[in-house]
Amino acid sequence: GAVVSQHPSRVICKSGTSVKIECRSLDFQATTMFWYRQFPKQSLMLMATSNEGSKATYEQGVEKDKFLINHASLTLSTLTVTSAHPEDSSFYICSARVGTSGRSEQYFGPGTRLTVT
Amino acid sequence: SQQGEEDPQALSIQEGENATMNCSYKTSINNLQWYRQNSGRGLVHLILIRSNEREKHSGRLRVTLDTSKKSSSLLITASRAADTASYFCATDSASGTYKYIFGTGTRLKVLA
Repeated sequence: GAVVSQHPSRVICKSGTSVKIECRSLDFQATTMFWYRQFPKQSLMLMATSNEGSKATYEQGVEKDKFLINHASLTLSTLTVTSAHPEDSSFYICSARVGTSGRSEQYFGPGTRLTVT
Repeated sequence: SQQGEEDPQALSIQEGENATMNCSYKTSINNLQWYRQNSGRGLVHLILIRSNEREKHSGRLRVTLDTSKKSSSLLITASRAADTASYFCATDSASGTYKYIFGTGTRLKVLA
């Protein structure tokens, strides 16, 4: 089956620093990638949709200057949390979609746990 | 919010019993997927059901979809302690954005 990886799996950073999270589709090319965040004991909330070579589309309420998304190739998208604060501590999960039809599949990465101290 | 609703929010049952979780969503969909998530871990894909399907089975799992009611259910039969986890449904809109929106989740606890 299709595999999506994320790196790092865990990261601890100090308040005010920036953190980059990578999402890779290992054995397929992803036309679209998505970024989610999940707070403890809550569901996943979609942050943004990322298409290769174009600007990401952010969901309402998500600060695009705070969460920079770069989709440089069909197998790699990155999420950079800029000037991180403790309230940004969360579980970040990416997913990658194959194809552009309603029947195309979507695969999720294992997640990255960010802790900002 | 586009987020779907799941009920119950929490469910506690004895090992061997069946567990049923329900998901309701708001817009027409292409697909609905069910995922499991153990505490602090990533998502495990369980079943994908397409909008033109009404029922799917996978092992001890049975998923139904009623597009007229915009609802789905996940049935886990003969539950085990290892089934203890949070369960989420996720739907992608038929409007063409292809983004999956997750439900609020059901926390299932199976007591040995």
